[in-house]
Amino acid sequence: DQQVKQNSPSLSVQEGRISILNCDYTNSMFDYFLWYKKYPAEGPTFLISISSIKDKNEDGRFTVFLNKSAKHLSLHIVPSQPGDSAVYFCAASAGGTSYGKLTFGQGTILTVHP
Amino acid sequence: ETGVTQSPTHLIKTRGQQVTLRCSSQSGHNTVSWYQQALGQGPQFIFQYYREEENGRGNFPPRFSGLQFPNYSSELNVNALELDDSALYLCASSWAGTLGGHEQYFGPGTRLTVT
Repeated sequence: DQQVKQNSPSLSVQEGRISILNCDYTNSMFDYFLWYKKYPAEGPTFLISISSIKDKNEDGRFTVFLNKSAKHLSLHIVPSQPGDSAVYFCAASAGGTSYGKLTFGQGTILTVHP
Repeated sequence: ETGVTQSPTHLIKTRGQQVTLRCSSQSGHNTVSWYQQALGQGPQFIFQYYREEENGRGNFPPRFSGLQFPNYSSELNVNALELDDSALYLCASSWAGTLGGHEQYFGPGTRLTVT
């Protein structure tokens, strides 16, 4: 039962353009969502997060949008840079006893071409 | 500020053996979680430790066990290794307080190969 899904295994974007990575979830108990970036031979690096009480959170070039009714979130990277090339994971967390325990999607490989 | 560290980096074991992986939390963090990442998949939650007690477990059998020490470092033990245990094992730490806890900060991982 895949509760967090990233349906695009890969995305290719030109430098300077926008990258949009998508994520869908099924568990309505999830109330906090995070994006991580992972380079080969390194652990995931926290990028940006959003609470379910918000629909948008921005941090520099990175913006996360949350659509609770559609159970969908997206990460926008503008402008994209070659150094952004990595695997991006969407993750979700629920409150209560599940607080802080993350459920991850399968990841999307982003390639930014110079 | 010291980040999350893990040892060893790589490990090769034989089916049926036991293995211990180690993790040092980021300074100031009091919670540690372990994840298993199989090739081509996202990390899967194994369990979490808070104040030296297990604080939730994912869908993993009891042969996966752990410890958290007073200095918040942690161990992951796997008994009776199976071929499917071959994966990257990630440790993550966080601060379980009133304003945080969701953001987990990951170490570089230990690559375990079971032959």
